Amino acid sequence: GEDVEQSLFLSVREGDSSVINCTYTDSSSTYLYWYKQEPGAGLQLLTYIFSNMDMKQDQRLTVLLNKKDKHLSLRIADTQTGDSAIYFCAGISGGYNKLIFGAGTRLAVHP
Amino acid sequence: NAGVTQTPKFQVLKTGQSMTLQCAQDMNHEYMSWYRQDPGMGLRLIHYSVGAGITDQGEVPNGYNVSRSTTEDFPLRLLSAAPSQTSVYFCASHTAGHQETQYFGPGTRLLVL
Repeated sequence: GEDVEQSLFLSVREGDSSVINCTYTDSSSTYLYWYKQEPGAGLQLLTYIFSNMDMKQDQRLTVLLNKKDKHLSLRIADTQTGDSAIYFCAGISGGYNKLIFGAGTRLAVHP
Repeated sequence: NAGVTQTPKFQVLKTGQSMTLQCAQDMNHEYMSWYRQDPGMGLRLIHYSVGAGITDQGEVPNGYNVSRSTTEDFPLRLLSAAPSQTSVYFCASHTAGHQETQYFGPGTRLLVL
């Protein structure tokens, strides 16, 4: 089955770029996702990438997928204090709707 | 649309008590799921349903029951609560063929003493 790993904490200065990394094991995962969770809230789908793509850009967000190394990254340009949250990487394992989540990376943005 | 709603927001139980966490969605989604979130472990799938009358187990189903009598509702039952079930529970739904977007509810925080 799928196993997803990500670093637990990242601290960046406001205005800098943030890069959150994730590795996964199941190369058959059709989609790979990034979710954002703000304090006390549920998960919000931030962006996703189809497995046959290498890159996807959406405004300040850039997702890079290295299928050979099974490595996924999320780059946030011009990071703002409102970007402070926990970011979860997730993949699909086996069954159609079984999302497998990483442990989450807590992004702290400081002035 | 209200999206995915969950009740209650918070609950405190004593060991051995039973309760039902409610989840409803008004988007006519076929697929619904229950996850629990524990510190440092991300979200883990408890049970899921691919349509009314059809449910299946996820990664961590022990101690939980589900049913899906309607498309809209997917309640999660704790038969005899244990401290290990202290967690934040999230319900999610999506429509068939669009697994790239799962809509999550706001969560239920459960404390079992």
